[in-house]
Amino acid sequence: DADVTQTPRNRITKTGKRIMLECSQTKGHDRMYWYRQDPGLGLRLIYYSFDVKDINKGEISDGYSVSRQAQAKFSLSLESAIPNQTALYFCATSDPPGDEQYFGPGTRLTVT
Amino acid sequence: QKEVEQNSGPLSVPEGAIASLNCTYSDRGSQSFFWYRQYSGKSPELIMSIYSNGDKEDGRFTAQLNKASQYVSLLIRDSQPSDSATYLCAVLCLIIQGAQKLVFGQGTRLTINP
Repeated sequence: DADVTQTPRNRITKTGKRIMLECSQTKGHDRMYWYRQDPGLGLRLIYYSFDVKDINKGEISDGYSVSRQAQAKFSLSLESAIPNQTALYFCATSDPPGDEQYFGPGTRLTVT
Repeated sequence: QKEVEQNSGPLSVPEGAIASLNCTYSDRGSQSFFWYRQYSGKSPELIMSIYSNGDKEDGRFTAQLNKASQYVSLLIRDSQPSDSATYLCAVLCLIIQGAQKLVFGQGTRLTINP
């Protein structure tokens, strides 16, 4: 079984809809991250959490919110989806001291 | 602003040759450096990590780090068509006391020609 899982893997939704992307991990890591990836723009950090009580904004948090339900679960919500949120979304986990990040398989989100 | 720079490519290398991928970074205090491989439409996969100056070898992959020059590279020996992917350089940068963030380069697209 994969160490980091994401659901759904693909989602098509309409403008204005609320959508939640979920991430679960069995690696036992405290730190979890949400990224989006757009062609030509690389990976951009949306939110990160260093433990269950710690949530931090990344470089592009506007339009997104997160919830850390447990050490193993970190969800990303789009309150009112818009077309420019169409992208590939990745969850990742890490632990100090090395902080190597391990990525989930990704969610391809299309907002029409 | 912490920056990690890579040549976006595409870099084209014949099968069996050595592929050389380069990365520079701006944060002089960084101590941890990583290379990820990403196939099209897939997630980044960690292939190498390096923490001290010099070379680190793992199979056909060698990572090289020069902190004085703020330069990290990845060599792939005996390149195979399956090595065709985008390679992301990532540097762990201090953001505030006790907190670090992984900063990614834009990636270099590598194509191995049979």
